[in-house]
Amino acid sequence: RKEVEQDPGPFNVPEGATVAFNCTYSNSASQSFFWYRQDCRKEPKLLMSVYSSGNEDGRFTAQLNRASQYISLLIRDSKLSDSATYLCVVPLRSKIIFGSGTRLSIRP
Amino acid sequence: SQTIHQWPATLVQPVGSPLSLECTVEGTSNPNLYWYRQAAGRGLQLLFYSVGIGQISSEVPQNLSASRPQDRQFILSSKKLLLSDSGFYLCASSTGLNYGYTFGSGTRLTVV
Repeated sequence: RKEVEQDPGPFNVPEGATVAFNCTYSNSASQSFFWYRQDCRKEPKLLMSVYSSGNEDGRFTAQLNRASQYISLLIRDSKLSDSATYLCVVPLRSKIIFGSGTRLSIRP
Repeated sequence: SQTIHQWPATLVQPVGSPLSLECTVEGTSNPNLYWYRQAAGRGLQLLFYSVGIGQISSEVPQNLSASRPQDRQFILSSKKLLLSDSGFYLCASSTGLNYGYTFGSGTRLTVV
C-alpha cells in the first residue's frame, strides 16, 4: 500500500456544485495533515491544515478519520477559480509525503 | 513567515552537462529542507531532505546529489544530466512536522 493515495480524477463538475475527494494514508502514527492546491505550472500552496477531527474555512471543509486513516476535502458552491490539482500531504518523521493529486475542473 | 528563493525559473541544458540549482530560505532558522521533482502531469517525488547542515537523506537513487553548506542554503547538483532529469524542481522548507510547508517558485528544467 502506498504511503499516501489519492483518486487522480479528473473531477469535472459544474459551477456551484459540491465536490469531495479523499486521501488515504498508511501510517497510523501521522498526527497532522494538509491539503495543498497546485495550479498548472506553479508551486503548491497551502490550502488547509487538519490536526484533529476537521477544519472549516469558508467553502472548504477538511475532515480526518483516524480509524479509517483517511482525510477528505469538501468544496461547496464551487467556483471556476477552484479548478486546480489538490494535493494531500502527510508528514512522516522528517519527511513530507505528497499524494499524487486530484485534478478538479469546474465548468461554467 | 518563511520565504524561499529558488533560481533560475527555467533552464534548458544539454544531455551530459552539469547542473546546480540553489535554494535559500529567509525568515526562519534551522529549517528542514526538501528537494522535489515533478514530471509533466505527475505527482511530486521527494528527492532529498535535510534536517541540518551537512545532513542529507536521499530518497531515490539517481545521478543527482544534494548539499547543505549553510543552514538556509540547499543545493541540488548533477555531474551529467540525463533526458529523464527533465522536470519541475521544487525546494520546500518546514520548521516542524505540524506546520505547513513553504515552497519556492520552482525551476523548470528541460534537458535536450
